[in-house]
Amino acid sequence: DAGVIQSPRHEVTEMGQEVTLRCKPISGHDYLFWYRQTMMRGLELLIYFNNNVPIDDSGMPEDRFSAKMPNASFSTLKIQPSEPRDSAVYFCASSLAVSSYEQYFGPGTRLTVT
Amino acid sequence: GENVEQHPSTLSVQEGDSAVIKCTYSDSASNYFPWYKQELGKRPQLIIDIRSNVGEKKDQRIAVTLNKTAKHFSLHITETQPEDSAVYFCAAPNYGGSQGNLIFGKGTKLSVKP
Repeated sequence: DAGVIQSPRHEVTEMGQEVTLRCKPISGHDYLFWYRQTMMRGLELLIYFNNNVPIDDSGMPEDRFSAKMPNASFSTLKIQPSEPRDSAVYFCASSLAVSSYEQYFGPGTRLTVT
Repeated sequence: GENVEQHPSTLSVQEGDSAVIKCTYSDSASNYFPWYKQELGKRPQLIIDIRSNVGEKKDQRIAVTLNKTAKHFSLHITETQPEDSAVYFCAAPNYGGSQGNLIFGKGTKLSVKP
């Protein structure tokens, strides 16, 4: 299995621009998680899905952030408009319901907003 | 919801020595405790986990112990090697929220000096 796939791996954008991060979970996994990691705040859960349905989005920082999962093999995290404080590494992770707490992380997207 | 605290935040040991990282959790219903290793610039990777029906689990040089009465669990690394240098995260399930997600500790940066 290829594991969790994320794209792009690096993104540099200017403040005010729209940013879209993409994730493909491990085939057969039905939980998908989006995390943000910074030195100051550590690893923060933003939102997670079960069977493509958002379960908990309480970690989404504000309305500028939105996430979708149109099907079992694809999810997006969108920031519009982006701000310098959004600069971070964004990880996507997936897990299988049977052992639902074993999460497997993607390689991450390093976002820099100038 | 669950609260996970991890200590120490940094740990420096000489190659060959042992390293111990401790985590406490708040929800007595928690029954799954994973440890993740994150090397510099890489993704967090699950290295070992323990479920509440056992008190200890070993995998070569790493082991995890669990004390459910005291609500703490620890990661033990013996005969440390430079490649063990990384940030280690503990986690516990967030039963207070919706099932399926983990609450992560703030991480311990382990440095193994040759």
